[in-house]
Amino acid sequence: AQSVSQHNHHVILSEAASLELGCNYSYGGTVNLFWYVQYPGQHLQLLLKYFSGDPLVKGIKGFEAEFIKSKFSFNLRKPSVQWSDTAEYFCAAYTGSARQLTFGSGTQLTVLP
Amino acid sequence: EAQVTQNPRYLITVTGKKLTVTCSQNMNHEYMSWYRQDPGLGLRQIYYSMNVEVTDKGDVPEGYKVSRKEKRNFPLILESPSPNQTSLYFCASSLTSGNAYEQYFGPGTRLTVT
Repeated sequence: AQSVSQHNHHVILSEAASLELGCNYSYGGTVNLFWYVQYPGQHLQLLLKYFSGDPLVKGIKGFEAEFIKSKFSFNLRKPSVQWSDTAEYFCAAYTGSARQLTFGSGTQLTVLP
Repeated sequence: EAQVTQNPRYLITVTGKKLTVTCSQNMNHEYMSWYRQDPGLGLRQIYYSMNVEVTDKGDVPEGYKVSRKEKRNFPLILESPSPNQTSLYFCASSLTSGNAYEQYFGPGTRLTVT
């Protein structure tokens, strides 16, 4: 069965700092990878997705993620965070065989003004 | 406006008192699912439905029931709620099961069982 791991449970940064959130997945076959964001009191929104091709994908609000197949990783990055980026971030994996979106445990990002 | 709605948004109940959380989508989506979100555990799928009258268990189905009599509605039923079902619940939908990664999420229902 596929699984997704996020090892950073809570990250605290100051505005303008660079961000990198880790995500590792375990699945040997073809997998589609996603990052979702959940702002306080709101539902999940899709930040970016990777299906195939260029392993560096760009999403909304200046976020990007890099798929490294050899490391089974899909880390989320942003060069300069803002206070408004304070939210919980979830990595997720989808496989056609499972027809299920599997989420990681989430990383709470707090950006201090 | 395309959306997934859930009701109620907040619910406090007592152990054993049957409850239903409704979910409705207006996008004519075939695939719908229910998740629970718990601190440190992320979102875990409870049940999903690939179309009308077609439902299946997710990762944590124990203590829950669902039905899919109409395409737009996918209620979550707790026949005898227990305190370990205190959680934040999300309904989601997507065009088909093949698009299950691109799900639209509802606003969430915060359930407390005492």
